[in-house]
Amino acid sequence: GNSVTQMEGPVTLSEEAFLTINCTYTATGYPSLFWYVQYPGEGLQLLLKATKADDKGSNKGFEATYRKETTSFHLEKGSVQVSDSAVYFCALLSKSTFGDGTTLTVKP
Amino acid sequence: GAVVSQHPSRVICKSGTSVKIECRSLDFQATTMFWYRQFPKQSLMLMATSNEGSKATYEQGVEKDKFLINHASLTLSTLTVTSAHPEDSSFYICSASGGLSEQYFGPGTRLTVT
Repeated sequence: GNSVTQMEGPVTLSEEAFLTINCTYTATGYPSLFWYVQYPGEGLQLLLKATKADDKGSNKGFEATYRKETTSFHLEKGSVQVSDSAVYFCALLSKSTFGDGTTLTVKP
Repeated sequence: GAVVSQHPSRVICKSGTSVKIECRSLDFQATTMFWYRQFPKQSLMLMATSNEGSKATYEQGVEKDKFLINHASLTLSTLTVTSAHPEDSSFYICSASGGLSEQYFGPGTRLTVT
């Protein structure tokens, strides 16, 4: 079946540190992949997406590359800010499948 | 563009009563809407998928008689939690799709059943 496995959290970083949140997936075919961000008490906001192999999605300094050979879609940011503190979800929307979410806390 | 609203954002109801949550796509026609449930510090769990004018398709384990979904127009879907109980307390999130693979999410509704 379809599944998404995310790096377990929580993740705590200092401001300006490098961020990686791992995401791997299992699915038939080549689904589009998404990263969503959820701030406390709010719904999900699309962060970035990639629709085919080797595509790189990017937004607000975050990047993720669709790697078919490793079935991965890891989220990275070179320098995190306190305002990036949130929960991040990797998702296969075609199957409405979400990872468990990774809570990121960035300290000043 | 692609804005989805939910109403109410928070609701408190007494055990045994019913509560309706609305999900609207404000600037596009949503052929498909999805309803999710999220428990504290957990991921989203898909409850059901609805297509405009059709009956909703419920995920395994979701009681269709308890969680009534109506998708009467291309911009509105409603979720009614009937005879609510404290264990139904949760964060309910809807999303809408205009036909492509992307979903646009609403801000969520916090339901508390006392």
